[in-house]
Amino acid sequence: DTGVSQDPRHKITKRGQNVTFRCDPISEHNRLYWYRQTLGQGPEFLTYFQNEAQLEKSRLLSDRFSAERPKGSFSTLEIQRTEQGDSAMYLCASSLALLRAGDGYTFGSGTRLTVV
Amino acid sequence: QQPVQSPQAVILREGEDAVINCSSSKALYSVHWYRQKHGEAPVFLMILLKGGEQKGHEKISASFNEKKQQSSLYLTASQLSYSGTYFCGTEWGYSGAGSYQLTFGKGTKLSVIP
Repeated sequence: DTGVSQDPRHKITKRGQNVTFRCDPISEHNRLYWYRQTLGQGPEFLTYFQNEAQLEKSRLLSDRFSAERPKGSFSTLEIQRTEQGDSAMYLCASSLALLRAGDGYTFGSGTRLTVV
Repeated sequence: QQPVQSPQAVILREGEDAVINCSSSKALYSVHWYRQKHGEAPVFLMILLKGGEQKGHEKISASFNEKKQQSSLYLTASQLSYSGTYFCGTEWGYSGAGSYQLTFGKGTKLSVIP
């Protein structure tokens, strides 16, 4: 397995434009998470899926953000009408549904978004 | 609620030991530890489930005190490769189950020098 893949690695967009990121999780992982990380901070939870169902979404998440995971495989995160405050590293992670000793999240390398 | 990590930063010489602490104000179901090097993704180190058991990973081990809602990460005989930012991620527990959502602390920057 090649791990968790995210595309693109970098995205520069003008304020007000829409952007979409893609995440391909580890194939046997049925949980998929989106996090956002800014400089000097830990990853901040955005949303997570179990298979194709979106089970939780952060209350801090603006309505401009939407995520999908059709067919329970890859996921997309869309940000509409981007703002400068959206500039951050967007991390995707995947895991098994039941974590036991030795199991954790596997993170992708992230998509760095810069809104100008 | 975000867990609190301490210290915020630490500098070690090779071979020295360090302890990183993580505390939460909410009842915890599990605690994860991750290391992130500059410009890279966080890498899973270990998970501690309810029970206060100490887990080991080479020269890195951790404990979880569920009564105090605290976890500590122990790094012994540090190596240059241990440099990075360490994050704890806490999962709240209720009704005997987890929330399935990790909340990460702000991180502890560890620098190991020769």
